[in-house]
Amino acid sequence: EIVLTQSPATLSLSPGERATLSCRASQSVSSYLAWYQQKPGQAPRLLIYDASNRATGIPARFSGSGSGTDFTLTISSLEPEDFAVYYCQQRSNWPPQITFGQGTRLEIK
Amino acid sequence: EVQLVESGGGLVQPGRSLRLSCTASGFTFGDYAMSWVRQAPGKGLEWVGFIRSKAYGGTTEYAASVKGRFTISRDDSKSIAYLQMNSLKTEDTAVYYCTRDIYYGSGSAFDYWGQGTLVTVSS
Repeated sequence: EIVLTQSPATLSLSPGERATLSCRASQSVSSYLAWYQQKPGQAPRLLIYDASNRATGIPARFSGSGSGTDFTLTISSLEPEDFAVYYCQQRSNWPPQITFGQGTRLEIK
Repeated sequence: EVQLVESGGGLVQPGRSLRLSCTASGFTFGDYAMSWVRQAPGKGLEWVGFIRSKAYGGTTEYAASVKGRFTISRDDSKSIAYLQMNSLKTEDTAVYYCTRDIYYGSGSAFDYWGQGTLVTVSS
């Protein structure tokens, strides 16, 4: 099973600052990585798929990069509504399994 | 507008069964694979399993933690996906989300999510 490790566990920043979240895979997942945002009491929302493609309706301040085992989600200038928990996710084809990282909590400093 | 609505959650005793439903609207349900993802209270996301579209055989895959106990099925005529949960354990307590799957290359992601339904397994 491919394990995804996210860092840091918690990130404390102020609105307007740049956020950099990391996701590391235990083995190569090529570019097949997605990112989600989850706010309290809500379902997760897809932000990025295929490592760097923004999902429909996602603001341009969100960007994804990386390939192989190291991936980054960057929020260029934090808005108040961006403070949430972020998860990365991958799918392997053999055996067919989907795994999530443990999450990074982005909190207001 | 794409909508996914889960139902069927509730309180159930260990060892008993429960069936969740996910009613879809706003898209051609039969064209998509569907997944179930759960989240234990205060914890992260855990994939439960998925069912492929009929075009890809309608076959299923499951996480090791539920394989042999949970079964996913679909009724394309009603646009409903089901999660049959048998031999429930206290560690199955979670909010269960239904998701629509999108595929890109050899990867996949969940582009739409339901609001979730809470399953509590307790005596």
